[in-house]
Amino acid sequence: ETGVTQTPRHLVMGMTNKKSLKCEQHLGHNAMYWYKQSAKKPLELMFVYSLEERVENNSVPSRFSPECPNSSHLFLHLHTLQPEDSALYLCASSQNTGDGYTFGSGTRLTVV
Amino acid sequence: AQSVTQPDIHITVSEGASLELRCNYSYGATPYLFWYVQSPGQGLQLLLKYFSGDTLVQGIKGFEAEFKRSQSSFNLRKPSVHWSDAAEYFCAVGAGRDAGGTSYGKLTFGQGTILTVHP
Repeated sequence: ETGVTQTPRHLVMGMTNKKSLKCEQHLGHNAMYWYKQSAKKPLELMFVYSLEERVENNSVPSRFSPECPNSSHLFLHLHTLQPEDSALYLCASSQNTGDGYTFGSGTRLTVV
Repeated sequence: AQSVTQPDIHITVSEGASLELRCNYSYGATPYLFWYVQSPGQGLQLLLKYFSGDTLVQGIKGFEAEFKRSQSSFNLRKPSVHWSDAAEYFCAVGAGRDAGGTSYGKLTFGQGTILTVHP
């Protein structure tokens, strides 16, 4: 039980599809993050939400669209993805005291 | 800006041998330091963290790490490695809010060290 739940665990989608990744935390944290992890590459920070406001967007293509409707939920909406977008997408949450992140188990995305 | 370097991309040890994974950081003040472990296809799990006080910190699964300010290092150690320790290990640095960090406690991660354990 990590406290951060990501669904689905696995997703296969075509390049013309629209899908969404969901992240949910019940730790009372007030910041949430999306990371992309590709094979043989470092963790890439995509988006940061603090107190439900987006505070970082690290040059992520517009085919990725985040949404944070409340402090417990974070979504990543996907549309017209490319095969190079295939990766493990990790969600994390934290308190703003800098105590570290709690990660979800990730969504393994394959774009065909 | 804060940064983290893990000099070893891949380390191989025999089961029962001791382990040390290196981590060097760059940060202007006293950092918050973390080690995470990731099994294949899984998220990252926190092993241990250092904020202040005793520079030798104990974590889960028998791991420990030592903060050495003079060397800007936070190396992870384990006296006897088990086959189940095979995974990827990430060092991270952050600035707590009280240290003038971001309002949300952002972490910067190293590139990771893959640990292989031989029987």
